[in-house]
Amino acid sequence: AQSVTQPDIHITVSEGASLELRCNYSYGATPYLFWYVQSPGQGLQLLLKYFSGDTLVQGIKGFEAEFKRSQSSFNLRKPSVHWSDAAEYFCAVAHTAAGNKLTFGGGTRVLVKP
Amino acid sequence: EADIYQTPRYLVIGTGKKITLECSQTMGHDKMYWYQQDPGMELHLIHYSYGVNSTEKGDLSSESTVSRIRTEHFPLTLESARPSHTSQYLCASSDHRLPYEQYFGPGTRLTVT
Repeated sequence: AQSVTQPDIHITVSEGASLELRCNYSYGATPYLFWYVQSPGQGLQLLLKYFSGDTLVQGIKGFEAEFKRSQSSFNLRKPSVHWSDAAEYFCAVAHTAAGNKLTFGGGTRVLVKP
Repeated sequence: EADIYQTPRYLVIGTGKKITLECSQTMGHDKMYWYQQDPGMELHLIHYSYGVNSTEKGDLSSESTVSRIRTEHFPLTLESARPSHTSQYLCASSDHRLPYEQYFGPGTRLTVT
């Protein structure tokens, strides 16, 4: 069965520092991978996606993610964090053979220190 | 502006009441989804729809029901609310041309007392 693991439940980072959020997936075929961000009290916003091609993908708000098939990983990065990046981040994999359904990881809550 | 809307945003209701959570999208998307999210936890798909008159159960069993009479509208109903239904409910939609790009509404936070 497909699954997504985000090993870090919470991460605290200083404003201006770099950020990396880990995501590991288990999927039998070529995965379609996503990162979403959820601000407090809000729905999810799509940050970026990987379908195929270049393994380094750029997203909105200065985020990027790298797909590494050998490690079954799709880690999210940002070189310099802003206070507004404090939110919860979810990694997801699409079920390409099962009706477009997404399986989400447990999420990583990012706290930004001044 | 094309968007996806959910009402109410917050609902506190007593046990045994019937409730309907509304979801509407103005993006012309054919596919719509309902997710349940407990605080600090991942999202679980409870219902989805490929189009008008199409509804399917998701991965997580739910006592709620849904209907899709119009393309833009995908309401979720609980006939008799229980405290175990307390959760956040997120609605999403996607276009068949980009089926994996799901757009989410702001969610309804439901508390059953």
